[in-house]
Amino acid sequence: DAGVIQSPRHEVTEMGQEVTLRCKPISGHNSLFWYRQTMMRGLELLIYFNNNVPIDDSGMPEDRFSAKMPNASFSTLKIQPSEPRDSAVYFCASLGAAGNQPQHFGDGTRLSIL
Amino acid sequence: GESVGLHLPTLSVQEGDNSIINCAYSNSASDYFIWYKQESGKGPQFIIDIRSNMDKRQGQRVTVLLNKTVKHLSLQIAATQPGDSAVYFCAETAVYALNFGKGTSLLVTP
Repeated sequence: DAGVIQSPRHEVTEMGQEVTLRCKPISGHNSLFWYRQTMMRGLELLIYFNNNVPIDDSGMPEDRFSAKMPNASFSTLKIQPSEPRDSAVYFCASLGAAGNQPQHFGDGTRLSIL
Repeated sequence: GESVGLHLPTLSVQEGDNSIINCAYSNSASDYFIWYKQESGKGPQFIIDIRSNMDKRQGQRVTVLLNKTVKHLSLQIAATQPGDSAVYFCAETAVYALNFGKGTSLLVTP
């Protein structure tokens, strides 16, 4: 079975550039999460979608970050303009509708902003 | 050896020994707990979970213990193998959001 698929796996870009990260959740899952992982702060929830609707975006660092989920099989996380402090690994996770299930994670996008 | 909560991030064990990784959580309303394993360059991988109405659950070579009185969770790995070397995270949730601990790095030596 295909798991959560993220692209690109690695992204290196210069500060000020726009960065777009992509996620395809597991088919049939109706919840999608974006996380950021750094050594200093660990795994942080950025935003949570349920049935394609953003439910909680309180973890989004600032207005430079935005996320969309145009349909049940695709989501994007965009950073514009990017800054060196945005360098981290960004994970997407999805979850089915039944209660008390684990979130399933993709293998992440390692983002480096120079 | 043990790793207590989030403050001792590295645990080294010999191959074949049992490993115990501990986690303290803070939200008494949490009702679902998960252990994840993260290998280098990969995302967190589900290992085992437990609901708050249980205090022990066993899987293949892994056991999770939950003590709600002191808000403590542990992961026991039997007969630790080199492939078990990874960072292990506990996570708790009451609604949808997972709150992750900072992780414990398990190093299995031959």
